[in-house]
Amino acid sequence: SQKIEQNSEALNIQEGKTATLTCNYTNYSPAYLQWYRQDPGRGPVFLLLIRENEKEKRKERLKVTFDTTLKQSLFHITASQPADSATYLCALAGVNTGFQKLVFGTGTRLLVSP
Amino acid sequence: DAGVTQSPTHLIKTRGQHVTLRCSPISGHKSVSWYQQVLGQGPQFIFQYYEKEERGRGNFPDRFSARQFPNYSSELNVNALLLGDSALYLCASSASYTEAFFGQGTRLTVV
Repeated sequence: SQKIEQNSEALNIQEGKTATLTCNYTNYSPAYLQWYRQDPGRGPVFLLLIRENEKEKRKERLKVTFDTTLKQSLFHITASQPADSATYLCALAGVNTGFQKLVFGTGTRLLVSP
Repeated sequence: DAGVTQSPTHLIKTRGQHVTLRCSPISGHKSVSWYQQVLGQGPQFIFQYYEKEERGRGNFPDRFSARQFPNYSSELNVNALLLGDSALYLCASSASYTEAFFGQGTRLTVV
């Protein structure tokens, strides 16, 4: 069966450290993978997109890697701040999902303490 | 520029009733998608519309329907509401097959 898995347990880190979140998928052939941030009671906010032929993407303190062999994406936040505390969702789309349909993981809650 | 706007932000309905949720996309975006997010889960795809045509449908019963208007705004209709329909309903607009811009959502509670 098709699955997208993210750590269901919250990730607690100290301010200034690097947070690393994991997204694993099975039985998908994504053309691209996206990461979103979601605050409680709000809609997801787009952060980064990485295509199947890209290994790494960066944007300010954010970095995403995409390994289609391992079927895994890693999302890094360097020099984390308490304001980074939120739930982070990965989403993929591609050939067997339909490009217009994003398939989301369940999200990982990140808590950054001062 | 205004982002994606959804209305209402909250509503409470009784089992068996129907509900209409509304979405206005970002100006210039012709694609609108609807998602259902149950507490503790990621958003689940319901529909996508592009240029007033349905381009995708998720695994939801026929009680769920949607349409897109000439100005690209959209409505999501749910008939015969069940307790399990209680969720955050999200609308997203996009200009291409890349990032989606989400509204703040409509929190539907069915009692």
